[in-house]
Amino acid sequence: QVQLVQSGAEVKKPGASVKVSCKASGYSFSSYDINWVRQATGQGLEWMGWMNPNSGNTGFAQKFQGRITMTRNTSISTAYIEVSSLRSEDTAVYYCARDFWSGYSPYYYYYMDVWGKGTTVTVSS
Amino acid sequence: DIQMTQSPSSLCASVGDRVIITCRASQSISTYLNWYQQTPGKAPKLLIYAASGLQSGVPSRFSGSGSGTDFTLTISSLQPEDFATYFCQQSHSSPRTFGQGTKVEIK
Repeated sequence: QVQLVQSGAEVKKPGASVKVSCKASGYSFSSYDINWVRQATGQGLEWMGWMNPNSGNTGFAQKFQGRITMTRNTSISTAYIEVSSLRSEDTAVYYCARDFWSGYSPYYYYYMDVWGKGTTVTVSS
Repeated sequence: DIQMTQSPSSLCASVGDRVIITCRASQSISTYLNWYQQTPGKAPKLLIYAASGLQSGVPSRFSGSGSGTDFTLTISSLQPEDFATYFCQQSHSSPRTFGQGTKVEIK
């Protein structure tokens, strides 16, 4: 079945970096973009950015520019997000989600139809 | 950025009730609007895409409507498994912003 399996929980100190992985299975990894969304405890969902696994092209929410890097390894169908210069406010559950699409040119609808279970990242001194 | 505002932020309802959640966009987004359900400790689950498209496997008691700036998610007869938090999200333009969520609690 189609699924995204994320790496395990991480605990990092302020100023460090963290890299979270998201392994896809059950579908053609290169055919759909991967989104990254995070959620602080008790808070809402925050979209961080997207990556096209085929081209490697990425797009970010402005607040994360310069601080996050999204990459992929197509040979193992895995996407990665790296967050640098961590601060306490980055403590959250990080989700990857497949960006499915439907429609016809130029009216394409995009929606996140498959999600990973989430990776908890804790930033604490 | 497009701001998404949901109302109410929370509501109390009973099993069998009809529940309506609204989502308003700060500018027109046509029908580029999705709805997700999230239960505690779980990842979000897609319910509705393109404002009114029912995702495969989602019960027909869920429905979505609207276009432009105003949207609704309706649960026709609330079931015990529907007590959760619901988020709208626009896919009209980047960044793909979410509403703040509506928590549906048991009365």
